[in-house]
Amino acid sequence: AQSVSQHNHHVILSEAASLELGCNYSYGGTVNLFWYVQYPGQHLQLLLKYFSGDPLVKGIKGFEAEFIKSKFSFNLRKPSVQWSDTAEYFCAVATPSGGSYIPTFGRGTSLIVHP
Amino acid sequence: DTEVTQTPKHLVMGMTNKKSLKCEQHMGHRAMYWYKQKAKKPPELMFVYSYEKLSINESVPSRFSPECPNSSLLNLHLHALQPEDSALYLCASSQDDRGSYEQYFGPGTRLTVT
Repeated sequence: AQSVSQHNHHVILSEAASLELGCNYSYGGTVNLFWYVQYPGQHLQLLLKYFSGDPLVKGIKGFEAEFIKSKFSFNLRKPSVQWSDTAEYFCAVATPSGGSYIPTFGRGTSLIVHP
Repeated sequence: DTEVTQTPKHLVMGMTNKKSLKCEQHMGHRAMYWYKQKAKKPPELMFVYSYEKLSINESVPSRFSPECPNSSLLNLHLHALQPEDSALYLCASSQDDRGSYEQYFGPGTRLTVT
C-alpha cells in the first residue's frame, strides 16, 4: 500500500525564520503531489500541487515545494514564516488505482509560529 | 462558488440509531469523496464517487453506506455504529478522480457515537 511520511510532527518557529517540512512517499510510479493546510478552525485547503513539468512549484502565501523524483520527496519551504502560518500541514499523494486515483495523506505537521 | 457544505456540523447518535450525513457542492465537480479523520491523525479515505458511480471503497464496514443521488450531492448513511466510529467525517470534491485536480474540502461533521 502507498505510504506518505512527514518526518516533522511538531515544528515551533519564530517569525521570519525559514521553514522546511519534509514529505516522502513510497510509490514508484507516476504520482500527483499536493500540500494542504488547515488553519485553526478552518477546513483543509490547497497550498500547492505538482503534476508534471518544473519540479519547483510555487503556491499561495509565499510557499513553494520541490519534487525530487530520485528521493521520492516533495518538501515544502517558505523563506520567512509569519504568525499567520500557524496551522496543520498535510502532504498528500494521489496514485493510480484502476481508472481512479487514490489520495493518501501524511500524518501532518503542526506548525506554531511565535510572534 | 468554491464551497463544499456539510450538514450537520455535529451529530451525536446511539449505537442503534440510523442517521445520515450530507455533503453538497455546486462547482460542477464530478468526483466526490468521504474521509474519516481521528484527532491528530490524517484524513483516511473511505469512498470515492466518480460521475455518480462508486469507484473506490476502501474496505469500509457495511455500517457505513454511501449514496450519490446526483452530481452535486453525496450522502453517508450510518447504522449500528460503534463508539470507535466517533470522528470527524470530511467530504471533498474535485473536478474528476484522475488525480490531476486538487480536492476542495468541506468543514466536516463531528460525529460522536454513544
